[in-house]
Amino acid sequence: DTEVTQTPKHLVMGMTNKKSLKCEQHMGHRAMYWYKQKAKKPPELMFVYSYEKLSINESVPSRFSPECPNSSLLNLHLHALQPEDSALYLCASSQGTANNSPLHFGNGTRLTVT
Amino acid sequence: QKEVEQDPGPLSVPEGAIVSLNCTYSNSAFQYFMWYRQYSRKGPELLMYTYSSGNKEDGRFTAQVDKSSKYISLFIRDSQPSDSATYLCAMYRAGGTSYGKLTFGQGTILTVHP
Repeated sequence: DTEVTQTPKHLVMGMTNKKSLKCEQHMGHRAMYWYKQKAKKPPELMFVYSYEKLSINESVPSRFSPECPNSSLLNLHLHALQPEDSALYLCASSQGTANNSPLHFGNGTRLTVT
Repeated sequence: QKEVEQDPGPLSVPEGAIVSLNCTYSNSAFQYFMWYRQYSRKGPELLMYTYSSGNKEDGRFTAQVDKSSKYISLFIRDSQPSDSATYLCAMYRAGGTSYGKLTFGQGTILTVHP
């Protein structure tokens, strides 16, 4: 088991639904991330939160809305998604906010948009 | 040309073999190197993190970095069927504000057969 916990493990949603993905870490890490991974591809960065503030948005469509309620929690709100948004959504955290801290990933939420 | 090149395999070896996984990179700004293991339907698991040229050992795993040749390797000794997974190399540039924005290789699929 990883120290980054993601729920739900699987999610099927229609294009008109609104849903949320949740992520929790208790390692005291100060940076948290959302990544998207398509089959047989490496993960791609979506968002970075540093000290609970959004610091990087990799030009992600507005139908994905991140939220960081506190230093341990990270949410990703989903609305009006498209079938091509089906993927594994990974949350990660790192101890520091400099780019020399390795990332620790959760096991992801496998999202299917119908 | 990709910044990080990794042979996608697939690589199939017998149990007990020594496995060598490799990545080359083109940008000397990359200074921090990670190896992740990803089982099917799971998130990437951090195996090794290093930032110095030379070898770093952890159990059956050895990470090797050669910055002069822009080449990193992961060696697995006495490979086991449980090592069957996709292995991803990942790296950070030094300095700047690009934390969280790991540059990944494409991943190598490894199968260790009994």
